[in-house]
Amino acid sequence: DGGITQSPKYLFRKEGQNVTLSCEQNLNHDAMYWYRQDPGQGLRLIYYSQIVNDFQKGDIAEGYSVSREKKESFPLTVTSAQKNPTAFYLCASSIELFLNEQYFGPGTRLTVT
Amino acid sequence: GESVGLHLPTLSVQEGDNSIINCAYSNSASDYFIWYKQESGKGPQFIIDIRSNMDKRQGQRVTVLLNKTVKHLSLQIAATQPGDSAVYFCAENLSSAGNMLTFGGGTRLMVKP
Repeated sequence: DGGITQSPKYLFRKEGQNVTLSCEQNLNHDAMYWYRQDPGQGLRLIYYSQIVNDFQKGDIAEGYSVSREKKESFPLTVTSAQKNPTAFYLCASSIELFLNEQYFGPGTRLTVT
Repeated sequence: GESVGLHLPTLSVQEGDNSIINCAYSNSASDYFIWYKQESGKGPQFIIDIRSNMDKRQGQRVTVLLNKTVKHLSLQIAATQPGDSAVYFCAENLSSAGNMLTFGGGTRLMVKP
């Protein structure tokens, strides 16, 4: 079955540690995205990538980094510089950048203490 | 700035009744709108979309209405079922400019048996 997978579903880290969230898609989509979701708020865009080896900052990129070495993979690293990292992180992909329906993964809930 | 919002944060309906979830948008140039459904602890799922050259679009048990005059979007769910209980997001996009999707905060739909 085609789709997007994110792992792990739950992640716990100590403050000051970097952590990498995985996102893989087998939909053959060019565009991929990372969003952050906080309770009662809309999705906020962290980073996006239109094509392999290319990515751009979204609205709230500070404290995050990404890579796009393969079309299928778009990992997100939450660095110790992110002041409030505890959140639900969603990865998505679409055929073209921002022009089509975005397909979302199941999300990773990160808790930093 | 331009934003997408929802009128009601929580909507409670009786099983079998019709549900109407509303969304106001402020960017009159937006030309593409999407409704997503998000169940607890999961990623958003695409429900239906509509482009600004249409006023109405129907899917299976769902209808989206677009009123460009008052910049209002609604999602109608017929014969609401317990499985419809979720948070519903609208999102807008100026697709012709390749703009990012802007998401609303969401409305929680609760279906009473």
